[in-house]
Amino acid sequence: DAKTTQPPSMDCAEGRAANLPCNHSTISGNEYVYWYRQIHSQGPQYIIHGLKNNETNEMASLIITEDRKSSTLILPHATLRDTAVYYCIVRVPNQGGKLIFGQGTELSVKP
Amino acid sequence: DAGITQSPRHKVTETGTPVTLRCHQTENHRYMYWYRQDPGHGLRLIHYSYGVKDTDKGEVSDGYSVSRSKTEDFLLTLESATSSQTSVYFCATQGAVEKLFFGSGTQLSVL
Repeated sequence: DAKTTQPPSMDCAEGRAANLPCNHSTISGNEYVYWYRQIHSQGPQYIIHGLKNNETNEMASLIITEDRKSSTLILPHATLRDTAVYYCIVRVPNQGGKLIFGQGTELSVKP
Repeated sequence: DAGITQSPRHKVTETGTPVTLRCHQTENHRYMYWYRQDPGHGLRLIHYSYGVKDTDKGEVSDGYSVSRSKTEDFLLTLESATSSQTSVYFCATQGAVEKLFFGSGTQLSVL
């Protein structure tokens, strides 16, 4: 699975959009981008995933660049409860194998 | 969320003793994972399984073994616990649509 690079930490004002970047320059054509988040002391939670088209669900939007070498997770109206560590992972779907999380981005939403 | 139960939730043990952590799932998911998480680190993969009796090493497998004799159970064993294995351990399963589901974690303290 391709490796990802994320900033270690970010701040965001409550009610504003939080834009979390992820670089995955070695992504291969059949690898998807997945985002998870981990709120303090809980197990990580799935947020969203995509291949090359932008995706949106009730939690967030995922923007993937045309060359697929980077992506951005967008939380449109961040709340204090969105304070968490956000992980970006790339992998081939429908396969097991090593699933490496990396360090993630610690997002702090401030009032 | 998938029915994933980790047991025990908390355990305190002494150096040199064997410890087994259990992950039980009710969703018939094929893939299962064990992670550990320590302060200042993200989730680190210990072992994973891609089916009954099919397991493989992750990033930090030294000192750990696993077994999967049934689809629903994935056991993590510390043959001789050390203080460096004090950590929070998370089990995960991979379900449909490539979502990962995590258990609530086991807090293990090795004194």
